[in-house]
Amino acid sequence: EAQVTQNPRYLITVTGKKLTVTCSQNMNHEYMSWYRQDPGLGLRQIYYSMNVEVTDKGDVPEGYKVSRKEKRNFPLILESPSPNQTSLYFCASSSAGLGGREQFFGPGTRLTVL
Amino acid sequence: GENVEQHPSTLSVQEGDSAVIKCTYSDSASNYFPWYKQELGKGPQLIIDIRSNVGEKKDQRIAVTLNKTAKHFSLHITETQPEDSAVYFCAASIGDRLAFGKGNQVVVIP
Repeated sequence: EAQVTQNPRYLITVTGKKLTVTCSQNMNHEYMSWYRQDPGLGLRQIYYSMNVEVTDKGDVPEGYKVSRKEKRNFPLILESPSPNQTSLYFCASSSAGLGGREQFFGPGTRLTVL
Repeated sequence: GENVEQHPSTLSVQEGDSAVIKCTYSDSASNYFPWYKQELGKGPQLIIDIRSNVGEKKDQRIAVTLNKTAKHFSLHITETQPEDSAVYFCAASIGDRLAFGKGNQVVVIP
């Protein structure tokens, strides 16, 4: 089944404790992206990657890191999480750049930073 | 950068009636306009999209219309059903990225 998977689905952590949220897609997609969803703010892009070893900042990249060493994986790293990073996070992939391509979203990761 | 706004933020409709959600965008270079549906506890899923060279597109009970001059596009859902209750996001392309609106909560009342 074609899908985007994220792990963990739920995470409660404390301020300053480094964490990684994994994202993997099995559709051989070139384009991958991370979004955060907050009430009243919609979906905001954190980082995106056009291909392996190519990453770019989105609208809200501060406090996050990403890497794209393999085509299928695009982990999101929070080196020193803070409470304002409490949010619902979505990973998405697409077959190419977004000039008219459907994005496939993962199920989401709900992160709480205490 | 691109600014996408959705109206209304919440919409309640009686089952069987029609629902219309409108989005406005600011960047005249945008040429791709998708709509995503997010059900409770799930990620958004594409339901329909339209490109700038088309004024209207229809897929069964849903349709999207685009007015490039006025920079707005709308989602139309006819004969609404309870399973249409969800959050709907519009988006507009900015180069290789998408700018999303804040989302509309649609509630279909049985």
